[in-house]
Amino acid sequence: SAVISQKPSRDICQRGTSLTIQCQVDSQVTMMFWYRQQPGQSLTLIATANQGSEATYESGFVIDKFPISRPNLTFSTLTVSNMSPEDSSIYLCSVARGTDGELFFGEGSRLTVL
Amino acid sequence: AQKITQTQPGMFVQEKEAVTLDCTYDTSDQSYGLFWYKQPSSGEMIFLIYQGSYDEQNATEGRYSLNFQKARKSANLVISASQLGDSAMYFCAMRGDAGKSTFGDGTTLTVKP
Repeated sequence: SAVISQKPSRDICQRGTSLTIQCQVDSQVTMMFWYRQQPGQSLTLIATANQGSEATYESGFVIDKFPISRPNLTFSTLTVSNMSPEDSSIYLCSVARGTDGELFFGEGSRLTVL
Repeated sequence: AQKITQTQPGMFVQEKEAVTLDCTYDTSDQSYGLFWYKQPSSGEMIFLIYQGSYDEQNATEGRYSLNFQKARKSANLVISASQLGDSAMYFCAMRGDAGKSTFGDGTTLTVKP
């Protein structure tokens, strides 16, 4: 298993501001994944964060809106920039671990944009 | 591209009965993995069971089993002897060659006493 800590667990933000979410893993991992879960919906992959290289973004997500840092093998941050109410979601950090490479998730960061 | 389809937005089951949650997938990858996750109302994501594309036997994990039919591209989750604590959202997911996972829309399971 993996212990993944995310901060903040929740926040309420004003439109136009930015928020950085931190993700700390208890051991070194090559890839970290950032997902978004909009209210009542499924998980959508935002990007894959690799240490030492730029993050790989999925279709519909851009670096200017969701800049990601990966300074070492246990830590990553996701910034949600210039927020609008449509960005209100749960943001989840995850890593693939275990016998079958199953994903382990942080507790999520529940973001509300007013 | 990978795609996961869960056609049952909501399911009801009587306590102690079995229930099957449907999942079909589409991929061009030769090697892939299929997963089921549970998300209770608390929001955490809990891994339940895994099936590899080359596994010949269906995966089982306690009360969970995965009915894997490769030719039909289906990976249904069977929960036996349902308990009230099984009430949650269930997601089917697939991991392809690139290591990324794609999730279905989920099925909300409600267990009735």
